[in-house]
Amino acid sequence: KNEVEQSPQNLTAQEGEFITINCSYSVGISALHWLQQHPGGGIVSLFMLSSGKKKHGRLIATINIQEKHSSLHITASHPRDSAVYICAVKGTSGSRLTFGEGTQLTVNP
Amino acid sequence: EAQVTQNPRYLITVTGKKLTVTCSQNMNHEYMSWYRQDPGLGLRQIYYSMNVEVTDKGDVPEGYKVSRKEKRNFPLILESPSPNQTSLYFCASSLSVPAFGNTIYFGEGSWLTVV
Repeated sequence: KNEVEQSPQNLTAQEGEFITINCSYSVGISALHWLQQHPGGGIVSLFMLSSGKKKHGRLIATINIQEKHSSLHITASHPRDSAVYICAVKGTSGSRLTFGEGTQLTVNP
Repeated sequence: EAQVTQNPRYLITVTGKKLTVTCSQNMNHEYMSWYRQDPGLGLRQIYYSMNVEVTDKGDVPEGYKVSRKEKRNFPLILESPSPNQTSLYFCASSLSVPAFGNTIYFGEGSWLTVV
């Protein structure tokens, strides 16, 4: 079992739909990152969370430390949101990151 | 503009021919790291560096070397590349360990094919 599990692996939505991507992890963490990988391959950081909730535009990220679970929500989805979304965790010790396999999101017009 | 720059972006090479993928950041970051991304496996850490002359192995270090002689540069060296090192490689940096509010910045990626 991977330390970081994402679901779903693939997600297709219609423009305007509310989207949720989930990330579960099995170790204690000091931080969780949500990343977006564009079709061309580049990766950008969306959020870094250690507790609670963060919002940026139409994106919302939440984390429940007790349940070892995080969600990334996209409101009013748009075709330009089509990308791979990756969850990564940093453990409580050391400095390495462990990544989920990613969720491929396709938003159709 | 804050940047992590990798070169080359695309490379086809032959088995056994030493190659270096360069990585440079302009943000005075202490933490730098190399990852490889393979289908079905996601991103995996190869090596990371907490500061100049401080490097450590990640999850998949076999077949790779790194050095951190200057703060801005963190080259990835494949001494004798093999076909199983065909992958998409990313360099990344952050101010310090990727926690405590430190955003991670990624390079554009380097597509490496070893034949």
